[in-house]
Amino acid sequence: DAGITQSPRHKVTETGTPVTLRCHQTENHRYMYWYRQDPGHGLRLIHYSYGVKDTDKGEVSDGYSVSRSKTEDFLLTLESATSSQTSVYFCAVDEGKGDNEQFFGPGTRLTVL
Amino acid sequence: AQSVTQLGSHVSVSEGALVLLRCNYSSSVPPYLFWYVQYPNQGLQLLLKYTSAATLVKGINGFEAEFKKSETSFHLTKPSAHMSDAAEYFCAVGGATNKLIFGTGTLLAVQP
Repeated sequence: DAGITQSPRHKVTETGTPVTLRCHQTENHRYMYWYRQDPGHGLRLIHYSYGVKDTDKGEVSDGYSVSRSKTEDFLLTLESATSSQTSVYFCAVDEGKGDNEQFFGPGTRLTVL
Repeated sequence: AQSVTQLGSHVSVSEGALVLLRCNYSSSVPPYLFWYVQYPNQGLQLLLKYTSAATLVKGINGFEAEFKKSETSFHLTKPSAHMSDAAEYFCAVGGATNKLIFGTGTLLAVQP
């Protein structure tokens, strides 16, 4: 158990509003990831971080930004939410053992009306 | 570049029957391969992983997978399905970077 929590677990918002999702880990792992999960698409990487203030884009980064000011927290922001961003969002961490194994949080279900 | 293909988005088996979920990968470097399971309304949980040791990998809940380089495959099997195996299963490939590439998932249904 990598001690990953996500908040909120569920959120309903309206188109055009900003939304921030939080991922918190207790183990000080270097690598953190944000994915979205949609039917028929599996998990797609949005952004990832390889250290404090070090982040990079994944394959579906448009419309999302991230920040990591502390090792334990990785924030995902939707600057202006759209209905296409309705999804389940997962945070994951890599313990840094060199085998790419990732541990996942419980997810956040976001609905944009 | 790396990619994963999972054949069959839905698989249905009878309780007690063999489970076979297919995964083929593409990788320009020696791959790390993973199977994750997701139960309804939960996060992903690691079933098993291949990281260049034994080609037959045993995981939790009686599942195993065999790495076949010549076939670029990493199929997941279980000799006898149980009702509790009903879930979505994801294959993933890594090894080139610190990122994983996931397949689109296979939803396993187990019929009584």
